[in-house]
Amino acid sequence: DSGVTQTPKHLITATGQRVTLRCSPRSGDLSVYWYQQSLDQGLQFLIQYYNGEERAKGNILERFSAQQFPDLHSELNLSSLELGDSALYFCASSMGQEYNEQFFGPGTRLTVL
Amino acid sequence: AQKVTQAQTEISVVEKEDVTLDCVYETRDTTYYLFWYKQPPSGELVFLIRRNSFDEQNEISGRYSWNFQKSTSSFNFTITASQVVDSAVYFCALMGPMDTGRRALTFGSGTRLQVQP
Repeated sequence: DSGVTQTPKHLITATGQRVTLRCSPRSGDLSVYWYQQSLDQGLQFLIQYYNGEERAKGNILERFSAQQFPDLHSELNLSSLELGDSALYFCASSMGQEYNEQFFGPGTRLTVL
Repeated sequence: AQKVTQAQTEISVVEKEDVTLDCVYETRDTTYYLFWYKQPPSGELVFLIRRNSFDEQNEISGRYSWNFQKSTSSFNFTITASQVVDSAVYFCALMGPMDTGRRALTFGSGTRLQVQP
């Protein structure tokens, strides 16, 4: 167990809908990263937050957004969902920018029908 | 731009065989960090090792060993005396230096290892 929690574990929804994925980092970790794992794109970085502020953006679609709250948990919002958004979404946390290890949560499997 | 290549899509071995998973990376940074993660069938990503670019010593941890060669931009992973529980997808990943926007992991496409009993 990495200490990173993600909810829900599975999510099934329809095209056009909006969902929110939640991540709680390990105790004491200030950085949260979101990654998407899909069959065609592999594991891709989406976005990073550090102590409530956005720090880096990867291949994140405009339909997707995220935030990190004062208690350091993070949410990834996916809207106007398309079939191609079906993927495993991982959250990872690390203590801070100067720390290299990222510890991953169990992931949320999103299925868009 | 950063890039990680894992040319082996799938490897199948019989238990007790040794197996090496290849990883080649590209980066313009002089300081960087390399990682291996394991993704078992249950789906989670498990951290295995981190290697700094300025430390080229090879590392051994039980049946696992890693060979970092800066001259060939490779960071290969060997499992000695493989076991069925080693069956998983293995990812090599690259991270940039501190104080840059490249602190996220750039992953390779993964190598699926199947260990047959």
